[in-house]
Amino acid sequence: GENVEQHPSTLSVQEGDSAVIKCTYSDSASNYFPWYKQELGKGPQLIIDIRSNVGEKKDQRIAVTLNKTAKHFSLHITETQPEDSAVYFCAASIGTYTGTASKLTFGTGTRLQVTL
Amino acid sequence: KAGVTQTPRYLIKTRGQQVTLSCSPISGHRSVSWYQQTPGQGLQFLFEYFSETQRNKGNFPGRFSGRQFSNSRSEMNVSTLELGDSALYLCASSFMDRATVPNTEAFFGQGTRLTVV
Repeated sequence: GENVEQHPSTLSVQEGDSAVIKCTYSDSASNYFPWYKQELGKGPQLIIDIRSNVGEKKDQRIAVTLNKTAKHFSLHITETQPEDSAVYFCAASIGTYTGTASKLTFGTGTRLQVTL
Repeated sequence: KAGVTQTPRYLIKTRGQQVTLSCSPISGHRSVSWYQQTPGQGLQFLFEYFSETQRNKGNFPGRFSGRQFSNSRSEMNVSTLELGDSALYLCASSFMDRATVPNTEAFFGQGTRLTVV
């Protein structure tokens, strides 16, 4: 089955700096890659996603890049703020037109700490 | 639009008991998935229901089961609880539109924190 590896496990940056979190996946059939942010005591919140027909997607300070050949995808957060501090998870799944793709395989998470 | 609602938020059960957790998906969403989150194993897929049918199942023992009702609300049940079942149980709902590009965005609820003592 699919395996998703995520690095680093912890990341500390100063406010205003950029943060990059990287993931690799094993199943070349995976074609949907969401990123989630989880704050203490809350469920994961979808922050951005990318499909395999796109190489990059950006939403304000957050961007995701995908390299299908290398089976890598990354989350980039620019101009980090204290409220960005949380645990971030990458995930991968196989989307089909029959709508059977709702099994997400998650990475192990990255604890991001943004310091003042 | 209301988000995914899970009840109860917290539960304490004794080993050997059984427990039922409830999930109400976002209005219009027909797919409901369940995940177990623990510090050691991370987020693991339990099962997924679509139109009252289980379509996908993770690698969990038969003590873990679920169902979905005609209004898309879902329940999961864990029988003969073990200490290792202590976890945050998360429900996610998705809108599945077979006519367009697969809409696989999954939106999670706040979870039910189960503690087995």
